[in-house]
Amino acid sequence: SYVLTQPPSVSVAPGKTARITCGGNNIGSKSVHWYQQKPGQAPVLVIYYNEDRPSGIPERFSGSNSGNTATLTISRVEGGDEADYYCQVWESSSDPVVFGGGTKLTVL
Amino acid sequence: QLQESGPGLVKPSETLSLTCAVYGGSTSSISYSWAWIRQPPGKGLECIGTISYRGSTYYNPSLKSRVTISVDTSQNQFSLKLSSVTAADTAVYFCARLFLAAVDMSWFDSWGQGTLVTVSS
Repeated sequence: SYVLTQPPSVSVAPGKTARITCGGNNIGSKSVHWYQQKPGQAPVLVIYYNEDRPSGIPERFSGSNSGNTATLTISRVEGGDEADYYCQVWESSSDPVVFGGGTKLTVL
Repeated sequence: QLQESGPGLVKPSETLSLTCAVYGGSTSSISYSWAWIRQPPGKGLECIGTISYRGSTYYNPSLKSRVTISVDTSQNQFSLKLSSVTAADTAVYFCARLFLAAVDMSWFDSWGQGTLVTVSS
């Protein structure tokens, strides 16, 4: 089955830019979606279709996808961005829903 | 818009049963499927399975022999049954709406708040 690899943790100072990667074989040919999950809460979609933002998600959140790596970029990081972030793709196979292992973003 | 309900404690070897009520939308919509996703304490997300408005299902291969997902469009809800549970099934269980944008392009655009189910005697 298809595997998505995320770094377990990323740390960034307030006001700086955080980049969270999601690696997969030829992931650039797929549509990647990103979710933010704060402690004790349900995940929230922050990026869909590689780079699109749902309504209500700040412009500070952006996404890109090329080659073997998709990236979630959070500009001007705030303390409220501290959360776990998961990437997800839909894979045409018997096991179509694939999540990455998640990345814990820490704001220093 | 999605609300899970069901027992928070299940005994080993018994069947876990949860229901997700859908508000503000219809389980009959052709634009969506409906999903159960779980998260063991301190771990990542795992999709248990999905069901379409017509009742077509996908089950995670690792759980397939124990899972049944059904939809009741008249009640605007869908349900999960997981049989022969063990402590490894202890998790927060989320229901979610899967937006079917196109072939190979689907994402979860709405989630329930989640319910913790503990498997213990």
